Amino acid sequence: NAGVTQTPKFRILKIGQSMTLQCTQDMNHNYMYWYRQDPGMGLKLIYYSVGAGITDKGEVPNGYNVSRSTTEDFPLRLELAAPSQTSVYFCASRGQTQETQYFGPGTRLLVL
Amino acid sequence: AQSVSQHNHHVILSEAASLELGCNYSYGGTVNLFWYVQYPGQHLQLLLKYFSGDPLVKGIKGFEAEFIKSKFSFNLRKPSVQWSDTAEYFCAEKAAGNKLTFGGGTRVLVKP
Repeated sequence: NAGVTQTPKFRILKIGQSMTLQCTQDMNHNYMYWYRQDPGMGLKLIYYSVGAGITDKGEVPNGYNVSRSTTEDFPLRLELAAPSQTSVYFCASRGQTQETQYFGPGTRLLVL
Repeated sequence: AQSVSQHNHHVILSEAASLELGCNYSYGGTVNLFWYVQYPGQHLQLLLKYFSGDPLVKGIKGFEAEFIKSKFSFNLRKPSVQWSDTAEYFCAEKAAGNKLTFGGGTRVLVKP
């Protein structure tokens, strides 16, 4: 049982490039979340999903897109990377009847 | 909008000292409250949570938190810290909906 896994662990992008951050959970959780973590700012919710085929915006969705074609996977897409998207990105999931979210190890992204 | 405030951004203390981290939340209705910890280089892990009942909640690694509804507070405490408690600590609330709102985090450095 791997829990929540994220790839890659670290990535450097040039301004204007695109990339997809991968997130997979093997706990059959309905709910999945993407956060970004910036120093002193805590975690801000980017997008979340309550089940396959359903996604919704969080607090800071601009510049990002998501999809949820399966229960297990919740990829986050950056179409035109900007320096403001330099951050650490965390994926999390929780079960239908749980309130506790389980976090992945994070992806550190640097946009230059 | 919901908000969570953590008053101390950085705390430095010596081993065996007592620790108290402040957390105030804004939602006036029924809340679920959490403390997460992030050890250096690791992902967020749940320390403890409060949903209802006894307002003094005990978590892992000797941590506890007290829910005081009249003060909108959920402060984290540990009577005697160890070097291994060096980490960043996040308070979070889940009010209406499926989302968590995180505080800005408090970085704790325990000197050996």
